[in-house]
Amino acid sequence: EVQLMQSGAEVKKPGESLKISCKTSGYTFIPYWIAWVRQMPGRGLEWMGVIYPADSETRYSPSFQGQVTISIDTSISTAYLQWSSLKASDTAMYYCARHGVYGDYASYLDKWGQGTLVTVSS
Amino acid sequence: DILLTQAPLSLPVTPGEPASISCRSNQSLLHRSGDNYLDWYLQKPGQSPQLLMYLASNRASGVPARFSGSGSGTDFTLKISRVEAEDVGVYYCMQVLQTPLTFGRGTKVEI
Repeated sequence: EVQLMQSGAEVKKPGESLKISCKTSGYTFIPYWIAWVRQMPGRGLEWMGVIYPADSETRYSPSFQGQVTISIDTSISTAYLQWSSLKASDTAMYYCARHGVYGDYASYLDKWGQGTLVTVSS
Repeated sequence: DILLTQAPLSLPVTPGEPASISCRSNQSLLHRSGDNYLDWYLQKPGQSPQLLMYLASNRASGVPARFSGSGSGTDFTLKISRVEAEDVGVYYCMQVLQTPLTFGRGTKVEI
């Protein structure tokens, strides 16, 4: 069974750094792009960017370029989303999701993690 | 960025009755392959989004046959032939033709 298991909720202060994870299982990690999607409180879904485990290529939405970093560790089939300096406006639920077509990020998100709630407050 | 406009934003439904959601794009989502790069998702209360339809009209695995998707180019529709109580939640369309990939604002379906 394909699963994406995300790390637990985080409470941070403005200016702190953070790295959340998305551990995948049940499929071959390498050939499927992994996306990160933000959902701010009471709001809709926003695609942040993707990473290709085969070569670590990343694509970011301009809205998130320079604000976050997406990375992977292929040895443990895990993707990461990190911030170097959090802001209160980063408070949101963050989902990882798999693009379901082999080698193609221009494809549907067929499997989703359960979400990681990040709260940034002084 | 490609803008997706969903309508309505709120949709009261009655079990057993049909329901329909529109998603309009400000650019054609027709790929040179002939497929429309438009997907639909349902986010049930308190849950992660789940894939309903891909390439505009293909039901994802396990999705009931009462769900159907149609449309081409810039106009798309998700239909539920007979709404069931478990269909409540927020429905999103998403385009995967061009980065940044974008979602519609969502349509809240409630009984």
